[in-house]
Amino acid sequence: EPEVTQTPSHQVTQMGQEVILRCVPISNHLYFYWYRQILGQKVEFLVSFYNNEISEKSEIFDDQFSVERPDGSNFTLKIRSTKLEDSAMYFCASSKDSPSTDTQYFGPGTRLTVL
Amino acid sequence: AQSVTQPDIHITVSEGASLELRCNYSYGATPYLFWYVQSPGQGLQLLLKYFSGDTLVQGIKGFEAEFKRSQSSFNLRKPSVHWSDAAEYFCAVVGAYNQGGKLIFGQGTELSVKP
Repeated sequence: EPEVTQTPSHQVTQMGQEVILRCVPISNHLYFYWYRQILGQKVEFLVSFYNNEISEKSEIFDDQFSVERPDGSNFTLKIRSTKLEDSAMYFCASSKDSPSTDTQYFGPGTRLTVL
Repeated sequence: AQSVTQPDIHITVSEGASLELRCNYSYGATPYLFWYVQSPGQGLQLLLKYFSGDTLVQGIKGFEAEFKRSQSSFNLRKPSVHWSDAAEYFCAVVGAYNQGGKLIFGQGTELSVKP
């Protein structure tokens, strides 16, 4: 069964450094999402992406964050200058059809630790 | 405000016993509702979803959930729990016409299973 994959599984970085989290969505999916879960807190929506544009973003998704689909198969989340509070599990998800009619399928997550 | 509440942070049941995990939502528009499960080191796996129609929905692994609009609830049930069901369970909601697909999650319920 097709799955969403994410790399790396764990990333450790120094505060102020840039990180790129990578995701490979399910191959025929057209809608892509990033969520994060800070330890002990709820899973929070960050951004959704369709047709090479951001569809919706949360207030968390400020100018430090950006998303890109660089090559038709990968979907990346970049954090330009990491802060301690960016430490969290980051989940990528994808759906084939519009989220108003279809299910989002999640990857295993990347644990980001900012020191 | 849009929100999902899972009142029970942690539940312990004996193997073979029945299970009910509670979920209440507050959402102004027509909701689509989901239950996801997360095993340690794994991503979020979809158990079941409700979009419309029959308010009792069946999912994978023998789970079911009932949508009760009057109570704003979407409780998850299983008649006989197996040790492999130990995991964290998340209820989530998205608006039926939300093109951005922002899923709103509850804080999760951790299920432990006693032998």
